[in-house]
Amino acid sequence: DAGVIQSPRHEVTEMGQEVTLRCKPISGHDYLFWYRQTMMRGLELLIYFNNNVPIDDSGMPEDRFSAKMPNASFSTLKIQPSEPRDSAVYFCASSYFGRSGNTIYFGEGSWLTVV
Amino acid sequence: QKEVEQDPGPLSVPEGAIVSLNCTYSNSAFQYFMWYRQYSRKGPELLMYTYSSGNKEDGRFTAQVDKSSKYISLFIRDSQPSDSATYLCAMSDIKAAGNKLTFGGGTRVLVKP
Repeated sequence: DAGVIQSPRHEVTEMGQEVTLRCKPISGHDYLFWYRQTMMRGLELLIYFNNNVPIDDSGMPEDRFSAKMPNASFSTLKIQPSEPRDSAVYFCASSYFGRSGNTIYFGEGSWLTVV
Repeated sequence: QKEVEQDPGPLSVPEGAIVSLNCTYSNSAFQYFMWYRQYSRKGPELLMYTYSSGNKEDGRFTAQVDKSSKYISLFIRDSQPSDSATYLCAMSDIKAAGNKLTFGGGTRVLVKP
């Protein structure tokens, strides 16, 4: 399997611009997670989906952040408008609630810099 | 106080040495414990998964859980420069699909040739 695929890998944008991050989860996985990682706060869960339905978005920092999962093989995380404090690495991860439960598989991340 | 504490390091060791990493936690309900390895500019990857207390060994890696002390450890034997990475512990109180994971902040490890 190709693993979790994220794009873009790197994004530099100006404050106020819209940013869209994309994710393709591992085939067969029914859970999808969006995490944010910073030096100060570590890994933070932003939102997760089960069978394409958003279950918990309590980690989404502000209304400027939104996420969608239109089908089992695609999800987006959008920031509009972006701010410098949104600069971070955004990880998408997926899992299935099988025998190994609790184990999630991360993509390589989208490195966002807002200037 | 954070729910899961992990020394950020860096922890620098010579090649061949044993690397000892640990996390402490405050939630006595945690019973699923994981270690993830994260190389620079990459996503975390699962290394070890353990349930409840005890030891688990996988090649050069040994994970230990001491629930009475709320303390987990990861040992890397015969460390190699390729082991240089950040190691994150993660834990959960229930068997879930990953949505209940609480991560430590990670310990950066440097193995010098």
